Amino acid sequence: KAGVTQTPRYLIKTRGQQVTLSCSPISGHRSVSWYQQTPGQGLQFLFEYFSETQRNKGNFPGRFSGRQFSNSRSEMNVSTLELGDSALYLCASSLNQGMGFFGPGTRLTVL
Amino acid sequence: QKEVEQNSGPLSVPEGAIASLNCTYSDRGSQSFFWYRQYSGKSPELIMSIYSNGDKEDGRFTAQLNKASQYVSLLIRDSQPSDSATYLCAVKDSGNTPLVFGKGTRLSVIA
Repeated sequence: KAGVTQTPRYLIKTRGQQVTLSCSPISGHRSVSWYQQTPGQGLQFLFEYFSETQRNKGNFPGRFSGRQFSNSRSEMNVSTLELGDSALYLCASSLNQGMGFFGPGTRLTVL
Repeated sequence: QKEVEQNSGPLSVPEGAIASLNCTYSDRGSQSFFWYRQYSGKSPELIMSIYSNGDKEDGRFTAQLNKASQYVSLLIRDSQPSDSATYLCAVKDSGNTPLVFGKGTRLSVIA
């Protein structure tokens, strides 16, 4: 069974730009959660989608948004990038919350 | 605010010794507990889950849960240099809420 895939793996953007990251969960998994990981803050929850609906949202500004498609693939978008958005963005898939299986992550660098 | 606390380390143990990693959590309603291992530059990998008080063993790993004291621990027997990584504790309640992660403990196994 294929694992969680994330694209792209690496991104370099400049301040003010916007970016879209993609996550394909494990086949059959309907829940996709997104996390931001930085050295100082650890893993911080962004949002969770289940069956195309946002079920939970973390404490991030509205510049961070996401969506989920009918095939459970999910995208997250960050608009008006700031230097502090540089991080590893991870998605995790699960059948219905509970234990999550992480993808390899997207390393975003904002210059 | 639900919190999960871990000592950041580094925890250094000699090869062959038992490594003991601890985690405390604030939400008494927590029902599910997970340990993830994260190698430098990689994404977290699920290694153990525990749901009931007591011990759960899987190979060299033992997870211990004490809900009354609100702590969960991970023991690694016969530690190997390949166990050197950051170990993340994650906690979840029974509702449709996301996993809450600690910031992780960095383990270094010295050959």
